[in-house]
This record gives sequence, C-alpha cells and structure tokens, in this order.
Amino acid sequence: QITLRESGPTLVKPTQTLTLTCTFSGFSLSTDEEGVGWFRQPPGKALEWLALIYWNDDKRYSPSLKSRLTITKDTSKNQVVLRMTNMDPVDTATYYCTHRLALRYRGLDVWGQGTTVTVSS
Amino acid sequence: DIVMTQSPLSLSVTPGEPASISCRSSQSLLSSIGYTYLDWYLQKPGKSPQLLIYLTSNRAAGVPDRFSGSGSGTDFTLKISRVEAEDAGVYYCMQALQAPTFGQGTKLEI
Repeated sequence: QITLRESGPTLVKPTQTLTLTCTFSGFSLSTDEEGVGWFRQPPGKALEWLALIYWNDDKRYSPSLKSRLTITKDTSKNQVVLRMTNMDPVDTATYYCTHRLALRYRGLDVWGQGTTVTVSS
Repeated sequence: DIVMTQSPLSLSVTPGEPASISCRSSQSLLSSIGYTYLDWYLQKPGKSPQLLIYLTSNRAAGVPDRFSGSGSGTDFTLKISRVEAEDAGVYYCMQALQAPTFGQGTKLEI
C-alpha cells in the first residue's frame, strides 16, 4: 500500500524560502518508473502542478515557477524535498505530493493529505 | 501551456439521476505512443483529490463502475450513471501529456 505524507512549516514570511518534505512508503524511488510530484491549491481555487521527480533523477518543473523551485530525492530516506524561494502571499496554499509512474502511467493514483502553508509577515 | 476548460462549473443532481461533466483541451492530448493523457479527479470537501479515471477511460482501483470516462483528441466527458450522496465534491480534469494542467473544477451538489 502506497502512502505519502507532506511536512513543513505552516507559516513563512515573504521573501523566505519554503522547504517541504514528502515522506512516502510502499514504493522506492530507486525502482524503474516510480515518480513523485508536487501540486498546490490556493484557498478556493483550482489545483496547480509544481514539480516532478523520477527514479532516474529526471526532474520537471512548472514553466511559470521553474526559477523558484528545486526538487530533490533522498532514496535512502524515502523522501522528496521541494524548495520554493522568494515566497509571496500569493503562494499561500495547501501543498500536496503524489505518486505517479512514468511510461506505465496510471494517473496520480495516491495523494498525500496535504500541508497548508500561509505566507504572511 | 495546455488550457483545460470544464463545463458546467456547477451541477445539482438528484440521487439516482445521471450526471455528465465536459472537459475540453486547447490541443490534442493524444501522445505519440497512442495514449490520451486525460485524467479525472474528485476532491471531496476538506480532502485531498482522489483519482477516478486515467488515460481517458480507465477507472482507478476501487472506483465504482457508475463512473465512466470517454472522449478523444480535445473533447472528454465524465459520466456518473446514477449519482449517490457520496459523489458530492469538485471534479477536475487534468491533462498529463505535457506539464500537467487542470480544469477550473465542477462542483457537484447532490
């Protein structure tokens, strides 16, 4: 059974860097095809994709946020870390990590519970 | 970016009646390997999104067979044959052919 859980600060100040961790179980990011993605959802708004990392360290970023994002993986800890620089109040949102496969795509089949981040001074 | 447009944005349905949601993409979602990368997700109030349908018409594990997806190219539909109270929430289509993008969401009230 695959599970994912997001963790990180609930409050960050404008201009600070946000660091979020996705800790997962039930699969390994050293196994072919495995991937973890990050998404966010501002209050009352639609979902937005942020970044994705695969087992082979292939990394993809949202074009509109690419300059601010860094995604990394720690295979030994079963964790994926997302860093977002220069936080702004418009980045206030619930952040989710998800599981997905690469070529054997089966949708974003498992989502974490989400972590809410507020950007305010 | 591929723009996803859903309609209607809200829907009120009586239990036992059918429901249908449309999703249109700004370009074809057919890949070079023959798969059409369109998914459907349901987000119940206060919960994380959950996968309903992937690659246009494949039901995810555990999804009741009253949910079905269809379509091709740029036009897609999610149908619920007989709506139940537990189906309430916001439905999103998402394309995964390129950088994933979502529709605006359709709120289903029962």
